Amino acid sequence: EAQVTQNPRYLITVTGKKLTVTCSQNMNHEYMSWYRQDPGLGLRQIYYSMNVEVTDKGDVPEGYKVSRKEKRNFPLILESPSPNQTSLYFCASSVSLAGSYNEQFFGPGTRLTVL
Amino acid sequence: QKEVEQDPGPLSVPEGAIVSLNCTYSNSAFQYFMWYRQYSRKGPELLMYTYSSGNKEDGRFTAQVDKSSKYISLFIRDSQPSDSATYLCATGDNTDKLIFGTGTRLQVFP
Repeated sequence: EAQVTQNPRYLITVTGKKLTVTCSQNMNHEYMSWYRQDPGLGLRQIYYSMNVEVTDKGDVPEGYKVSRKEKRNFPLILESPSPNQTSLYFCASSVSLAGSYNEQFFGPGTRLTVL
Repeated sequence: QKEVEQDPGPLSVPEGAIVSLNCTYSNSAFQYFMWYRQYSRKGPELLMYTYSSGNKEDGRFTAQVDKSSKYISLFIRDSQPSDSATYLCATGDNTDKLIFGTGTRLQVFP
C-alpha cells in the first residue's frame, strides 16, 4: 500500500530534550515536506526537500532541523524543544514533475506536546 | 495579508443541505487550486484539484475557480454525515510548494 508513515503518533516531552520524528514514504517520491498545523493558523511548511541531500527552509523553520540521506526518509529533529513547538505535525511527499500539479500525500500526523 | 484566506467556519448543516466553502488568494502566479479533506485525527487527503477558471465536478462535489477575482469555492450537494471533516483549500504555482488556507470545519448532522 502506497503510504507515508510517521512515528511516533503521539509524544509528550519536556523542554530541552532532543527528539526526532521519523517520516518514511514508499512511493519513490522526490519531494518531501514537513508541516505544522495549529488552530487558526492552518498548515505551515517547516522544511522541505527536493531530493536526497537537498533541503531548504519553509515558512517556519526556526527550532527545527531535517536531513535527507535516503530518498524514502525525511526525519524532523527538534534539538531543544520549547512549549511553542507544541503542535500537530504532518509529513508529506509527492513526485516532482516540473510544470505540473503534483499531489501531496500526507502522513497520519504526530501530536507533540512540550511541557 | 495572508496569501490564502479561508472562511473559518465552523459550519453545521443538516443532512441533504448544499454546502459552500470559500477561499480567496492574493498571488496571480498561483496556477493550481486544490481542496483537501481532513478527518479528525487523520492527515489531509486530496479531494479535488483544478488548474483553470471554471467548474470541475466529481460526484456530489464541485470545485469552482474564478481567477479574475482570485476566488475558490467548493460546493457539496446532498451533504452526508460522512462529509463531516475539515476542508482545506490550497494553491500552488510551478514549484512543489503549496499554500494552505486555515481550514473550515464542517459538521453534517442527520
